[in-house]
Amino acid sequence: QVQLVQSGAEVKKPGASVKVSCKASGYTFISYDINWVRQATGQGLEWMGWMNPHSGDTGYAQKFRGRLTMTRNTSISTAYMELSSLRSEDTAVYFCARRDYTNSYPFDPWGQGTLVTVSS
Amino acid sequence: DIQMTQSPSSLSASVGDRVTITCRASQSISTYLNWYQQKPGKAPKLLIYAASNLQTGVPSRFSGGGSGTDFTLTISSLQREDFATYYCQQCYSTPRTFGQGTKVEIK
Repeated sequence: QVQLVQSGAEVKKPGASVKVSCKASGYTFISYDINWVRQATGQGLEWMGWMNPHSGDTGYAQKFRGRLTMTRNTSISTAYMELSSLRSEDTAVYFCARRDYTNSYPFDPWGQGTLVTVSS
Repeated sequence: DIQMTQSPSSLSASVGDRVTITCRASQSISTYLNWYQQKPGKAPKLLIYAASNLQTGVPSRFSGGGSGTDFTLTISSLQREDFATYYCQQCYSTPRTFGQGTKVEIK
């Protein structure tokens, strides 16, 4: 079945960077965009950006430009999200999600989420 | 950016109740509107895409409607497993914004 499996929880200090992985299986990795969404504790969903695994093209939300980098390794069907200059407000669960090509480009499926804690 | 506004932010209902959640976009998004269900500690799950299309495997008590700027998610007869938070999302343009969520709680 189509599945996205993310790397484990991370604890980082303010100013550091974090890199989260998202391994795809059950479909052709390069055929579907990967999006990243985050969720602070008790808060809503915040879209961060997208990446085309075939071309490597990316698009980032304005809020994260300059700090966010999305990459991929097609040989192992894995996407990566790296966020730098971390601050306490970046503490959240980070999700990857495949963008389907059905009418309204929904996100399905989602990875299980990776908790990133930023604390001194 | 397109703003998505859901109402209510939370509601209390009983098993068997009919529940309707609304989502309004700040500009027309045609039917580029999706609905997700999220349970505590879990990833969101796609329920409805293109405003009114039920995702495979989702119970038929869920339905969606609307186009342009106003959309609804209806649960015809609330079941215990439906208590969760629901989010709308527009995929008309980037950033792909979400509503703030509607938490459905047990009365």
